[in-house]
This record gives sequence, C-alpha cells and structure tokens, in this order.
Amino acid sequence: DTAVSQTPKYLVTQMGNDKSIKCEQNLGHDTMYWYKQDSKKFLKIMFSYNNKELIINETVPNRFSPKSPDKAHLNLHINSLELGDSAVYFCASSQVPENYGYTFGSGTRLTVV
Amino acid sequence: GENVEQHPSTLSVQEGDSAVIKCTYSDSASNYFPWYKQELGKRPQLIIDIRSNVGEKKDQRIAVTLNKTAKHFSLHITETQPEDSAVYFCAASKGSGGYQKVTFGIGTKLQVIP
Repeated sequence: DTAVSQTPKYLVTQMGNDKSIKCEQNLGHDTMYWYKQDSKKFLKIMFSYNNKELIINETVPNRFSPKSPDKAHLNLHINSLELGDSAVYFCASSQVPENYGYTFGSGTRLTVV
Repeated sequence: GENVEQHPSTLSVQEGDSAVIKCTYSDSASNYFPWYKQELGKRPQLIIDIRSNVGEKKDQRIAVTLNKTAKHFSLHITETQPEDSAVYFCAASKGSGGYQKVTFGIGTKLQVIP
C-alpha cells in the first residue's frame, strides 16, 4: 500500500504548455504539502493545505495553482511552463497540530524543454 | 523566520567509521527536529527525530543530539556502511496556528567508501 502516491513520475513537456501533477495520501493525515527540489537538492516549500484549506503559500509564481478537492488529495497545476520550472516536485503529508515527520511521495521529475 | 544551517555539505568516510552532521537553527520556538535520508533518485524518508524536551535519541546505529541552549542538533551514524550513502537533511519545525512550519537544511551528501 503506497502511503503517498504521485502521478506522473516523469513529465517532459515543452515551454508554454500547461501540466498537472496529482497527489493522494491514504494515511488519514490532515495536512499536505508541495515541495520543489532543484538540481542542488534544496527542498523548498511551495504550498501547504490543512483539511482542504490553503495555509502556506510561499513566494511562488501565480502560474502554479494548487487544488485540494478533499483532505486526501492535493494536485498541482502549472500554467505556461518555463525552463526554470524543471525540477523534482514532491508531495508530502503529515499529522498536525502535533509535530510529526513528513511522509513524502515518490516525486515527479518535470523537465521543460 | 526560521533559518537552518547544515554542515558539512559533503562528507566522505571509510566504511566502519563514524559520520557526524551538524545543524543550527535560529527560532527558539522550534520544538521538533526530524532528519531525512534521500537515496539517489528516491524520496526523502524520515530516519529519526527528536523533540525539544529530549536531549538525545538513539536508534541502532543512528543517534541525534539536541542542545536547546546553543540551538544546535546533530546526527551521528556509527559503523557506517555503503548503504548509508545518501543525502541527509535536517529540519526544524514548530506548530503555528494549527499547522506545521518546517524549515529544511541544505542537505549533506554522505559517501561511505568501501
């Protein structure tokens, strides 16, 4: 049973296209996140949702739009893709308000050409 | 906001030796400190964590220490093995208004040489 699953695993697309990445967790966690990992491996928070509500929205271009239809799903839609969007995107979930570690998804490697 | 510094950025050790990775944080309200291991091409996975009311925690060959006064915490891996080779991330976290504010370090690439 995959706890946090992301699709697709790989995504190669041309500049200017629009794409979506889907994430689902079956852990019953309240909070879900999107992180971007660049080529230097730095993990940068993009968004956080708690029970379908947006609670963290870091400085991310508005071409990125998250959507949480329910607390088990958090999708990421990206409009007008740019070369600099190439990275690995990780979905994660955790149980709050108590601090607990994240469970990460397997990641989506996005390559914009 | 919170600032987490992690060093070294790369670390090479001989198999069987110990490895130590150190992190410092700036926000005294941070109260939870997880460590993640990311193998090449894989997801980060939680390997050990420590809360602010504890000074040390051990799990087999890995241990974490926390000095709240100095605001630093460290990961210790003893008897290193080639499968310990990975990137390790520290993080500092605090609960805030019903959500978790987590700040990651930049990562340490550990290479264990057989």
